Order: sequence, then C-alpha cells, then structure tokens
Amino acid sequence: GALVYQYPRRTICKSGTSMRMECQAVGFQATSVAWYRQSPQKTFELIALSTVNSAIKYEQNFTQEKFPISHPNLSFSSMTVLNAYLEDRGLYLCGARAGTETLYFGSGTRLTVL
Amino acid sequence: GQQVQQSPASLVLQEGENAELQCNFSSTATQLQWFYQSPGGSLVSLLSNPSGTKHTGRLTSTTVTKERRSSLHISSSQTTDSGTYLCATTTSGGNYKPTFGKGTSLVVHP
Repeated sequence: GALVYQYPRRTICKSGTSMRMECQAVGFQATSVAWYRQSPQKTFELIALSTVNSAIKYEQNFTQEKFPISHPNLSFSSMTVLNAYLEDRGLYLCGARAGTETLYFGSGTRLTVL
Repeated sequence: GQQVQQSPASLVLQEGENAELQCNFSSTATQLQWFYQSPGGSLVSLLSNPSGTKHTGRLTSTTVTKERRSSLHISSSQTTDSGTYLCATTTSGGNYKPTFGKGTSLVVHP
C-alpha cells in the first residue's frame, strides 16, 4: 500500500537556528508533495506545493527564503525552517500523491522553538 | 478560495453514545477526506469519501456533493475516540491541494 513517512517526529531547536524535516513516499511515485503547518490553536495551512518538473508554488505568507523545499526524486522531499522563531512552532505535515490521486499524509513533525 | 466549516467545534459524550460530525464546504469538492488527529498531534486518515456513503468499522461517512456537505458518524463511541476530527477537501479548480477545516474536538468520557 501507499505510505508516507515523515521524520523526525519531534524536534526542538533554539530560536534563530534552522531545522530540516523529511518526507518519504513508499509504494507509489510522489509526483506532488504538499507541505502544511498547524500552528497552536489553528488548522492546517498550506505552505507550498511541489510538483516534479515544475516550480514549487508557495502560498501567501510563506516564502522560499524561509521554507526552502527540495523534491529531488519521486520518493523524497525535504523542507527546512530557516531562522526559526516562536511563531514557527507547530506541527508540520507533508502530503504526497501520484498524479491526481488522493494525498497520502505523513504523521507530521512537531517543532518546538526555545 | 475553498472554505471548509466543521461543526460542532467540540463535542462531549459518554462512552457508548453516537457522534455526528458535520463538514460544509464552499465549492464542489472532487476529493474529501476525514482525518483523526490524536491529542499528541499525529494525523491519521480515516476515510476518503468524495460522494455517497462509506463505512469502516464504527465509522460511516455520507457526502452529498451537490449540497457541499459531508458527515461522519461514529457509533458506540469509546474513550480512545477522543481527539480532533478534521475534514479536508480538494476542489475541481485547484491544484489538488486540500483545504482543512478547523476540526471537531471530541471528548468521550468513561
């Protein structure tokens, strides 16, 4: 079956430092990967959608300079939170799909910023 | 853009009671998924149901596409059902990027 693994599950970083999270698709080819953030007391907001052989499209309020994403092949994607501050804390979720199929989601990476 | 409204915002039940959760969305959805988010934060996909009725275990989802609404029925609730239930939809005009509702927080007491 189709699975998406996300790691690390939890991470803590100091204010002003950066952290990288990874997303691995198993059992299907991830032609598109969507990254979301759930801030405390909020729902999931889309950060960006990455499609192989296309430019990564960032949503309003999110930039490549802050959240650079790599999608080098059909099974892997990573996103870095640069210069993390308190407002960046929350649960980061990746969803991957093959073509126009349903998105399969990982379990998320919870980021705590000290 | 797509707006997804979930109700109720919170629900408290005694174990054994049934739960009915609602999801309303502003644009026709080509895909609709229900998720469970545990108190620890992990997200689990429950059902994908863009139209009609689907069952899995104690869960039943009914989506009426034309009326842009979906429901999730949990029968014989258990304390382990406590958590947040999220609805996410993808519209036909979008790039298949789901929009999430704010969720229904369910607490089941023993």
